[in-house]
Amino acid sequence: AQSVTQLDSQVPVFEEAPVELRCNYSSSVSVYLFWYVQYPNQGLQLLLKYLSGSTLVKGINGFEAEFNKSQTSFHLRKPSVHISDTAEYFCAVRRIQGAQKLVFGQGTRLTINP
Amino acid sequence: EPEVTQTPSHQVTQMGQEVILRCVPISNHLYFYWYRQILGQKVEFLVSFYNNEISEKSEIFDDQFSVERPDGSNFTLKIRSTKLEDSAMYFCASKGDDGSYEQYFGPGTRLTVT
Repeated sequence: AQSVTQLDSQVPVFEEAPVELRCNYSSSVSVYLFWYVQYPNQGLQLLLKYLSGSTLVKGINGFEAEFNKSQTSFHLRKPSVHISDTAEYFCAVRRIQGAQKLVFGQGTRLTINP
Repeated sequence: EPEVTQTPSHQVTQMGQEVILRCVPISNHLYFYWYRQILGQKVEFLVSFYNNEISEKSEIFDDQFSVERPDGSNFTLKIRSTKLEDSAMYFCASKGDDGSYEQYFGPGTRLTVT
């Protein structure tokens, strides 16, 4: 079975400051990794994904994440945040082989203060 | 841009009543999913559907739940006899057969069971 832990339930940051949202996972098999964002009253939107290859992946809106297999982590970063980045961020994994279901972390609420 | 839509946005029902949550996936997608998020908890997988049959389901998806693709556009989740603990946000998602691994999510239906 897979599990995902997002270590911070809420992260307040000032505008234009850097941010890192932490994600650790546990799995006995190889997985793909994803970050989704949920803006108020909207569905989950894919930010970025790691399937294979370079461990540093870039996504939309200036976000990037680094896959670290030895630490089983997939932390999300942005060098300079904007007010519009205020949202809930979800880390998720799915098995490479077999089941397609996404297993989510509990989410991190990112609040950007002016 | 194509998107997944869900109706209604909010459904209030009494315990023991049947509810049907509706989803219109992206038109050329072949894989369909339901997830739910109880307030304050993780997004949880319920069921996946492909080629007119359930391909995977979680332990949550018991005999009280069913899914159907009644026509070429809709994908529904039925709860036969709702319980208080079914109160949650229900998300529909769909995925194409293009190897992108991205599941596209709808905005969700908030189900409140009283």
